[in-house]
Amino acid sequence: IQMTQSPSTVSAAVGDRVTITCRASQSISSWLAWYQQKPGKAPRLLIYKASTLENGVPSRFSGSGSGTEFTLTISSLQADDFATYYCQQYSGFSQTFGQGTKVEIK
Amino acid sequence: QVQLVQSGAEVKKPGASVKVSCKASGYIFTNFGITWVRQAPGQGLEWMGGISTYNGNTNYAQKLQGRVTMTTDTSTSTGYMELRSLTSDDTAVYYCARPYACSSYSCSLDHWGQGTLVTVSS
Repeated sequence: IQMTQSPSTVSAAVGDRVTITCRASQSISSWLAWYQQKPGKAPRLLIYKASTLENGVPSRFSGSGSGTEFTLTISSLQADDFATYYCQQYSGFSQTFGQGTKVEIK
Repeated sequence: QVQLVQSGAEVKKPGASVKVSCKASGYIFTNFGITWVRQAPGQGLEWMGGISTYNGNTNYAQKLQGRVTMTTDTSTSTGYMELRSLTSDDTAVYYCARPYACSSYSCSLDHWGQGTLVTVSS
């Protein structure tokens, strides 16, 4: 299953609403997770099962979608949110990640 | 608290093997599997495979079949990933992670090790 994220890069300012899309090459139901990764650090789980917020993750992060199209929304971008975001499908025996979306300062 | 602590950086020559360890603490080791993910420099995340710490069953990425072996030692709560016949394409940071909130087949990953840089160079 191929995962395609868009855009590859988004330039935004603090306070902006940011939306990242992830498309699966076939239906994965709701078996999708989102991760945040900062340079030199391991990824951090933000959302699993498409829309369930992991414990400790700020409520400005939200996820939606099912089937083949999914979105990650940051409602009001904070300075700490500048990072690269990855989606991951875990529907089948083989997991795959999207290529990543870098959120950079405008 | 849950922690996954990995072994240190490695430099290997082409054709050699590398074995990375991942020591778990803060939870019952055999209640969760271990998944391995790698990331080449400046690139995205690549799933390598996973192992059940309960019965040792493994599931490897097709492209690594025959070159990778994942094992665990339940007496020390440690997982291992060995990769053989290394090439420069295997230069990457290797992460172990704990599966969480699973489908019937695979899982999201809620805790990650700090990563181990493996450099393959002649």
